[in-house]
Amino acid sequence: DTEVTQTPKHLVMGMTNKKSLKCEQHMGHRAMYWYKQKAKKPPELMFVYSYEKLSINESVPSRFSPECPNSSLLNLHLHALQPEDSALYLCASSQPREGRDTQYFGPGTRLTVL
Amino acid sequence: KQEVTQIPAALSVPEGENLVLNCSFTDSAIYNLQWFRQDPGKGLTSLLLIQSSQREQTSGRLNASLDKSSGRSTLYIAASQPGDSATYLCAVRRTAGNKLTFGGGTRVLVKP
Repeated sequence: DTEVTQTPKHLVMGMTNKKSLKCEQHMGHRAMYWYKQKAKKPPELMFVYSYEKLSINESVPSRFSPECPNSSLLNLHLHALQPEDSALYLCASSQPREGRDTQYFGPGTRLTVL
Repeated sequence: KQEVTQIPAALSVPEGENLVLNCSFTDSAIYNLQWFRQDPGKGLTSLLLIQSSQREQTSGRLNASLDKSSGRSTLYIAASQPGDSATYLCAVRRTAGNKLTFGGGTRVLVKP
């Protein structure tokens, strides 16, 4: 099973709302990632968790708050977002292996901020 | 800072023709390079991963080569089919850390 699942598939929220994106994998991977992708652009890394600890934060605004409750689950908490935050949010996971850590991506959550 | 470039940005070919997709990167100190496929509005599907010590990887109709010294990778797709229409992205992982740096992608259209 090489599946990464993400919920919800679509999310529409106002600028004052609080919402969360969820990502789950059962491949035993110990690294999990959040990416943001705007239309016709490549994914941009936001956060990396390695062994349930935040290892990379690409200077993401604090209105995005990641959480890794356990090795299978990754959340992204959203608060006071701006319309320019509308994008496809992708989760990925990988198993750290010497040079062979393929990243597996979920289908993404399409976020629209009104 | 690693920069990854994919040229052309878009490509249209008739069915049956071989596809050649290019990826170049500025820093040769890479850990590995990965090719992905992305359908519109969907997530990324990993196609091939080439370790820094390898020269090429093959999977079915796909073959990817890596030349670290010149900072290039090429993805070949043999006998293209309409189902190969998608955006193809290459991504480079630097020696330290888990970060992937993506190219801008090549949008491929295979016409029946």
